[in-house]
Amino acid sequence: GESVGLHLPTLSVQEGDNSIINCAYSNSASDYFIWYKQESGKGPQFIIDIRSNMDKRQGQRVTVLLNKTVKHLSLQIAATQPGDSAVYFCAENSGAGSYQLTFGKGTKLSVIP
Amino acid sequence: EAGVAQSPRYKIIEKRQSVAFWCNPISGHATLYWYQQILGQGPKLLIQFQNNGVVDDSQLPKDRFSAERLKGVDSTLKIQPAKLEDSAVYLCASKAGGSGEQFFGPGTRLTVL
Repeated sequence: GESVGLHLPTLSVQEGDNSIINCAYSNSASDYFIWYKQESGKGPQFIIDIRSNMDKRQGQRVTVLLNKTVKHLSLQIAATQPGDSAVYFCAENSGAGSYQLTFGKGTKLSVIP
Repeated sequence: EAGVAQSPRYKIIEKRQSVAFWCNPISGHATLYWYQQILGQGPKLLIQFQNNGVVDDSQLPKDRFSAERLKGVDSTLKIQPAKLEDSAVYLCASKAGGSGEQFFGPGTRLTVL
């Protein structure tokens, strides 16, 4: 399995700038994808999801892009705020109707005030 | 709406001891998951319940881990005996039928000495 140990990929952005977090997923049969945000000492918190029949979905300040050809997912955060600082995980549903999520490695986003 | 509740929040034990974690899902959520999250990694699914039945426990180390959800509501996860490598955060999540979004509890941080 994948292991990144203690060294998560890190993205540092200036407050007010846009952030883009990327994720490569593993299963071409996955039909549903979620981005979660995890703050220190807390459980993952849902941000946005997308189904495989879509290539883009927008929420409040967030956009998820899905490229099935290269099995790539991205999360765009507009006007990044200090409260956005956290670890971000993408997850894919590879369990069909049973919704079993496989999580990616995570990216730590640090917002510079 | 109350979220997923977990207890205890923290637990420190010595190797070869036993430990149990408790989870109370969101009311009405039929699907319940237990995940193990090692420091610096994404959550890894251990077991999935649908009501009081097991959907998938293929990644549960059954020689030492057990889980139950007797009345289809609360669930307990037990480790007996614990090993050093079991040190992790144990997350419980629940999901409503027809939705892909999993709601996570705050987790229990286990340290095995």
